[in-house]
Amino acid sequence: DGGITQSPKYLFRKEGQNVTLSCEQNLNHDAMYWYRQDPGQGLRLIYYSQIVNDFQKGDIAEGYSVSREKKESFPLTVTSAQKNPTAFYLCASSIGGTRHEQYFGPGTRLTVT
Amino acid sequence: GIQVEQSPPDLILQEGANSTLRCNFSDSVNNLQWFHQNPWGQLINLFYIPSGTKQNGRLSATTVATERYSLLYISSSQTTDSGVYFCAVDANGGSQGNLIFGKGTKLSVKP
Repeated sequence: DGGITQSPKYLFRKEGQNVTLSCEQNLNHDAMYWYRQDPGQGLRLIYYSQIVNDFQKGDIAEGYSVSREKKESFPLTVTSAQKNPTAFYLCASSIGGTRHEQYFGPGTRLTVT
Repeated sequence: GIQVEQSPPDLILQEGANSTLRCNFSDSVNNLQWFHQNPWGQLINLFYIPSGTKQNGRLSATTVATERYSLLYISSSQTTDSGVYFCAVDANGGSQGNLIFGKGTKLSVKP
């Protein structure tokens, strides 16, 4: 059963702590993306990766870091430098190349207090 | 960068009614997708439609790339159609496929 999984579904952290969100896909997609959604808003791009061991900053990368050591995995770390980390985080993947239809995971709701 | 505007921001329908959601974008695009976000937050792919017309059951979409807009039609709406509908585009010359999202249309279908 192919798809994108994100864990955990809900995450609670204290201010000042780093936290890592997991994203795994078994679609054999080359490209993976992290987006952030705030209440009542559309999604904004944090980071993306077109191939293993390479990634690029999106529009709101400050306070976040990523790695892409395996094709199927693209974890996102929310660091203590992120000023407003409470949000809904969505991971996506696409085949890459010239066709860019993206498919999304179920998301992780992060609450930092 | 490219701007994506969706209208209306909110829409309330009676079950069985039809509706049209609009997406305007400010530049030419490689990719345009319509998504439905359900109450649990999951984004469900509806259409990948950089140009032309597609239909899937009660839903259809049309993109007129030369005039920079796309329309999503929902016919015979059901309560399960409720949620937020997003249009997202990947601009020509944009950085490698990342999508720019509109703010969405929140649809509520009443029984």
